Amino acid sequence: AQKVTQAQTEISVVEKEDVTLDCVYETRDTTYYLFWYKQPPSGELVFLIRRNSFDEQNEISGRYSWNFQKSTSSFNFTITASQVVDSAVYFCALRVPFSGGYNKLIFGAGTRLAVHP
Amino acid sequence: EAQVTQNPRYLITVTGKKLTVTCSQNMNHEYMSWYRQDPGLGLRQIYYSMNVEVTDKGDVPEGYKVSRKEKRNFPLILESPSPNQTSLYFCASSSGAFQEQYFGPGTRLTVT
Repeated sequence: AQKVTQAQTEISVVEKEDVTLDCVYETRDTTYYLFWYKQPPSGELVFLIRRNSFDEQNEISGRYSWNFQKSTSSFNFTITASQVVDSAVYFCALRVPFSGGYNKLIFGAGTRLAVHP
Repeated sequence: EAQVTQNPRYLITVTGKKLTVTCSQNMNHEYMSWYRQDPGLGLRQIYYSMNVEVTDKGDVPEGYKVSRKEKRNFPLILESPSPNQTSLYFCASSSGAFQEQYFGPGTRLTVT
């Protein structure tokens, strides 16, 4: 079965702290993609990153970085020097092959991050 | 501007009164899908469509219908809404397999 687990329901930090959001996934497929989305208080879903199963290189984009480890089936997301604008719900998602060739996107339950001044 | 639009954004209705939430994308995407978001459950797929006239059930299709008569539109129909369908609904589209999905702004539905 395919599954995404975000064990941290809520995280609260003070501005400028570093914070890591955990994501653990399960799939038997050898080809899959992992995603992170941000949902700010306004409610829309903002795409952050896509990573395929064959590329385990870590990625850094400004204050954001992602650590993909197939050995532990994890795709963790770190925000360095957090800011109040980072306050949001963050979703990790797994894309796997599905019937008819359509690829299903399976979401974790989300982690609510609150960054306080 | 490339976007996915949904209407209405907010809707309060009563049990049993049929409603339709529209979804439209201007990116010529083949794949479209509907999700519902509930606290503690993340987003769950309701229905998806691989192309015009091709639709199939997702994880939680009960109580919903969809249609795909045109490539750009993918309406979600609740024939007889019930309170357990109170949720935040998102429409999404993507250009193909393994591509990121673009999400609409969401529709917050309350069924009393």
